[in-house]
Amino acid sequence: EPEVTQTPSHQVTQMGQEVILRCVPISNHLYFYWYRQILGQKVEFLVSFYNNEISEKSEIFDDQFSVERPDGSNFTLKIRSTKLEDSAMYFCASRVGYEQYFGPGTRLTVT
Amino acid sequence: TQLLEQSPQFLSIQEGENLTVYCNSSSVFSSLQWYRQEPGEGPVLLVTVVTGGEVKKLKRLTFQFGDARKDSSLHITAAQPGDTGLYLCAGENNAGNMLTFGGGTRLMVKP
Repeated sequence: EPEVTQTPSHQVTQMGQEVILRCVPISNHLYFYWYRQILGQKVEFLVSFYNNEISEKSEIFDDQFSVERPDGSNFTLKIRSTKLEDSAMYFCASRVGYEQYFGPGTRLTVT
Repeated sequence: TQLLEQSPQFLSIQEGENLTVYCNSSSVFSSLQWYRQEPGEGPVLLVTVVTGGEVKKLKRLTFQFGDARKDSSLHITAAQPGDTGLYLCAGENNAGNMLTFGGGTRLMVKP
């Protein structure tokens, strides 16, 4: 069964460094998303992407964040200058019909 | 901003008991999705309900979408220890470009 995959599974970085989180959505899906979950808190929407452009973004998704679909399979989230409060699980999702399927997540730890 | 209130937050029951988890909002959603999440992993889609009043069954799990598409419930019949986990509801906005998650219900079923 097709799955959303994410790499790396765990990323440790120092405050102020740039990180790129990678996702491979399910191949026939057209809508892509990033969410994050701070430990013990709700899953929060960050951004959605459709037809090679951002469809919607939350207040969390400020100028430090960007997304890209560099080729036909990958979908990336870049954080330019990480902060301690960016430490969280980051989930990629892709959608077909009404259903969003989530990847296993990348645990980002900012020290 | 759409909000989803999920209750109860925690539920501890004996094997064989029935339970219901509720998801409520003042907002209308185009669809409502239920996920199960294991620690350190991504949410796994259980079901999507789309039509007001819709009822879907998945073995011992029954999902219902409110007539006004503002609320939903998950009912588990004869709970088993394997049902133990975190259950999340998530509502999709009308544009279909984001999910709003509830806070989750952590279920423990004791043998």
